[in-house]
Order: sequence, then C-alpha cells, then structure tokens
Amino acid sequence: DQQVKQNSPSLSVQEGRISILNCDYTNSMFDYFLWYKKYPAEGPTFLISISSIKDKNEDGRFTVFLNKSAKHLSLHIVPSQPGDSAVYFCAASEGTYKYIFGTGTRLKVLA
Amino acid sequence: EPEVTQTPSHQVTQMGQEVILRCVPISNHLYFYWYRQILGQKVEFLVSFYNNEISEKSEIFDDQFSVERPDGSNFTLKIRSTKLEDSAMYFCARLREGKLYGYTFGSGTRLTVV
Repeated sequence: DQQVKQNSPSLSVQEGRISILNCDYTNSMFDYFLWYKKYPAEGPTFLISISSIKDKNEDGRFTVFLNKSAKHLSLHIVPSQPGDSAVYFCAASEGTYKYIFGTGTRLKVLA
Repeated sequence: EPEVTQTPSHQVTQMGQEVILRCVPISNHLYFYWYRQILGQKVEFLVSFYNNEISEKSEIFDDQFSVERPDGSNFTLKIRSTKLEDSAMYFCARLREGKLYGYTFGSGTRLTVV
C-alpha cells in the first residue's frame, strides 16, 4: 500500500527553466509534507517543507505547493541549475515523528 | 547543523552472518530512526526509537532486527542473520536540530549480502 506516490521516475529539464516534481498521497490525515534531495552515496538532505494549514511555501528557488483536496503536492525549482540534478523524494507524516517517503524522481538538469 | 555520522560506509557480509550498523546522532536527541533504501526503490521506514525504547516499527523490522543505544550517543542497528534481500542502503536519522519537523539523515551504510 503506497501512501505516498511519485509517478514520474525521471525528469529532464533545460538549465534556467522550471522543474516541476509531483507527489500524490492517499492518507487525508497527513499534515506535514517534506521534500528531500539525494545525491548518490549520500543521505537524503532536507530541502523544504509545508504543513497542511498552508498551500504554498517558498524558499529561494524552491516552492512547494499543497492541494489538500486533490491530495497532491508539487515542488517547483526556478530557475533550474545543473547542481539540482539529483533524486527528489517527497515525504509525508501524520504528526511530526514518522515520515512515509515516495519512490523518488530523478531530476536531470541539462546545461 | 551537527551531522549524523554512520559507520561503516560500506559493508559486505556473507548470508547468515550478523552485522551491526552504527550511527552517532548526538547524545541530547531523544528521537532516532532507521530507514533503508533498496536500490532504485523508495526510502522505507524500519524503526523509531524514543527515549531509549522502540516507539514504532514496520513489518520489515522482524525478529532478525534489533536496535540499541548502548552508551548514550551511539545508536546501532543489528541484523542477526542476514539475507540477500537485506542488501540496501541503511540510513540513520534524527529530528532536525531546533526545527518542528523533518529529519537529518546520515550518509548511509551500503550493506551488500553475498
């Protein structure tokens, strides 16, 4: 039972353009959502978060949007840079202590 | 933010052998976690550890797995009799320093069972 789904295993974007990574979830009780970035041979690194009381959170080039009615969140990266090339995981939790991760989307930013 | 250090970075073991994976997450944290990622798959929750006790575990975390905090700072995951399907990256995590939510992960241990 996959409670958090990332349906696109990979995405390629031209440098300078917008990258949009999507995530769907099934549990309406989830109230915290995170995005992590992962490089090969490293642990996931926290990127940005959003709680269910908001529909948007912005941090520099990264913006996360939450659509609770659709149980959907997305991460926008503008402008995309080659250093953004990594695997991106979304994660969700009910409360703040245990997160369920998606399968990841591999982003490749082309120079 | 203080790092989470995991050792070893890579371990190769024979099927049926015991392995111990170590994590140094800083001693004043109460919540710790182990996750794993089989190659190309999602990051899966194994177990959470609160105040020196298991607070939650997944169905993956069967009797072959155990966790301990033997000396107040190190946090270990033991697999008693490894199977081929235990081959994965194992990540230790703690709650983010001074933040309401999210984890800080270690760099991981790649376990290869042959």
